[in-house]
This record gives sequence, C-alpha cells and structure tokens, in this order.
Amino acid sequence: NAGVTQTPKFQVLKTGQSMTLQCAQDMNHEYMSWYRQDPGMGLRLIHYSVGAGITDQGEVPNGYNVSRSTTEDFPLRLLSAAPSQTSVYFCASSPRGQPLHFGNGTRLTVT
Amino acid sequence: EDKVVQSPLSLVVHEGDTVTLNCSYEVTNFRSLLWYKQEKKAPTFLFMLTSSGIEKKSGRLSSILDKKELFSILNITATQTGDSAVYLCAGEYGGATNKLIFGTGTLLAVQP
Repeated sequence: NAGVTQTPKFQVLKTGQSMTLQCAQDMNHEYMSWYRQDPGMGLRLIHYSVGAGITDQGEVPNGYNVSRSTTEDFPLRLLSAAPSQTSVYFCASSPRGQPLHFGNGTRLTVT
Repeated sequence: EDKVVQSPLSLVVHEGDTVTLNCSYEVTNFRSLLWYKQEKKAPTFLFMLTSSGIEKKSGRLSSILDKKELFSILNITATQTGDSAVYLCAGEYGGATNKLIFGTGTLLAVQP
C-alpha cells in the first residue's frame, strides 16, 4: 500500500491563479479530509468527506472546493489563489472512527 | 468555541530525561483525544484515547486522558535524540466524525 499520496510536493502560484491539489489513498478508507498548517495556528480542517459523493465543510472552507467521485481520490481546488492561502496542506484518510493517516503534504506559496 | 491548548510550547532536554507534555481541551460532542508526532513531514499517529484513566503505552511513550478535568498528558521516558519533534494533540469533535481540532504543538528538542 502506498498510503496517502499527495501531489505536487511544492507549488508556487500567482494571486488569482487556480489549481488542484491531488490526494489519493489505496487503503479503501471511507473518510478523507484536508487540513492546512500555518505557523502558530496548528492544523485546521478545510473540508472532509465521509464517503464517495459526500463532502462537507470544516473550520476554514472559504476559497476551496472539493469533490469525492471515487473512494480513492479527494482533490482540493483553489479557485482564485490569494497570499493568505500560502500554507502547507495535508490530506488524511481513515476508516470511520479510526485515527487519521496523513500524507506528506503540499507546500503552497502564493505570490 | 472549541479549543485545544498544549503546554509547554517548547522544551529542551538531555538524552535520558523524562518529559511530560500537556494538553487541555474544550471540545463540543467530544469523542476522543489523539496524539501525533510530527518531524519533517506528515504527522504520525501515536495514541487515541477515549476512556478516562486508562493509560496507553507504546515502548517509552505513554498517555492518559482525564475526561473530568478535560486534560491529557503524554510521557516520554529515557528520551533519545530521535524523539526530537513537534508533538500534536487533537480533540475529535462532533461525535464519531473523525473531525479533529488541533493544538499548536509542543516542540521537543533532545540534546545528546
């Protein structure tokens, strides 16, 4: 099993550009989520999904979209990047009620 | 407002010392308290605590939850340089949802 795979590892965007952060898991986990990690803030939940076709908002959803068309994939879309979205993004998955397994993160810089 | 507060913010010890990391929480519809270790990249899971007063152990690490006082501690005995990391505490909120609210972490540095 590859676990939780995030691509790309690093990305630089200009303000106003859009992009998609990819997340895939091969463990057949029903639950997937996206967090962002900023200095002094801890990890904060952006969006989550409890199964294919079901998504919901977390603490800080504004400026981000998600979809869950398959169990394996949970992409995070930035619609119009802003400098405030400079962060490290982590995708995580788990069976329901079990601890989250995190990917290695995507470091995003918006200039 | 839900929150998780960790202390101390950072800690420097020498190899062989014992350390105690603290985590207090105020979480709506609390279900579990989790500890993670974060080195360069992904947080890695250490413990998940759901019951009060039952210590969980893994090698030199142990943790316990007090649901009355809304508190958890993570103990590391006989520390090694490989224990140097940020230790994250998180509360699961909203019932059995896997939604976590994280503290800002404790940065532990173990010197040889």
